[in-house]
Amino acid sequence: GNSVTQMEGPVTLSEEAFLTINCTYTATGYPSLFWYVQYPGEGLQLLLKATKADDKGSNKGFEATYRKETTSFHLEKGSVQVSDSAVYFCALRNQAGTALIFGKGTTLSVSS
Amino acid sequence: SAVISQKPSRDICQRGTSLTIQCQVDSQVTMMFWYRQQPGQSLTLIATANQGSEATYESGFVIDKFPISRPNLTFSTLTVSNMSPEDSSIYLCSVAAGTLDDASGNTIYFGEGSWLTVV
Repeated sequence: GNSVTQMEGPVTLSEEAFLTINCTYTATGYPSLFWYVQYPGEGLQLLLKATKADDKGSNKGFEATYRKETTSFHLEKGSVQVSDSAVYFCALRNQAGTALIFGKGTTLSVSS
Repeated sequence: SAVISQKPSRDICQRGTSLTIQCQVDSQVTMMFWYRQQPGQSLTLIATANQGSEATYESGFVIDKFPISRPNLTFSTLTVSNMSPEDSSIYLCSVAAGTLDDASGNTIYFGEGSWLTVV
């Protein structure tokens, strides 16, 4: 079946540190991959996406590259800010008409 | 893109009662989804609601407990019936914009969520 595995959290970093949150997936076919972010007390927001192999999604300094050979979609940011503190969810969508399948989420806490 | 409004945003409910959550979208969409996010957990799909057909429920969720209506392409409701404290969760409505072939589509948008506490 389809599934998403994220690294366990919480991840605690100092401001300006480099961030990597690992995400791997299992899917039939060629899924689209997403990162969503949930800030404290807020709803879920799309952060970035990639729809085919080798695509790079980017937004707000975050990047993730769709790696078919390693079935991965790791989230990276070169220099985190306190305002990046949130829960990050990796997700996949296998085909049109289907819902998203989410990983368990990774909590990021950035201190100044 | 799609803008989704959910009501209520928060509520405290008595055990044994039922509550209906409304989801309004600012554009016509074919596919709508309802998710549950229990405290500190990830999102779990409850059901898929397409206009003109019965909702399709995921394993572990049944229509008697979570009846869904989808009367048109911009609106849906989810009812949480006979609530217990275990139903305390965020319930999220989401819609799919575009198609897999649409470069600007294939994105699923979420409402702000309805935060329910059952006491």
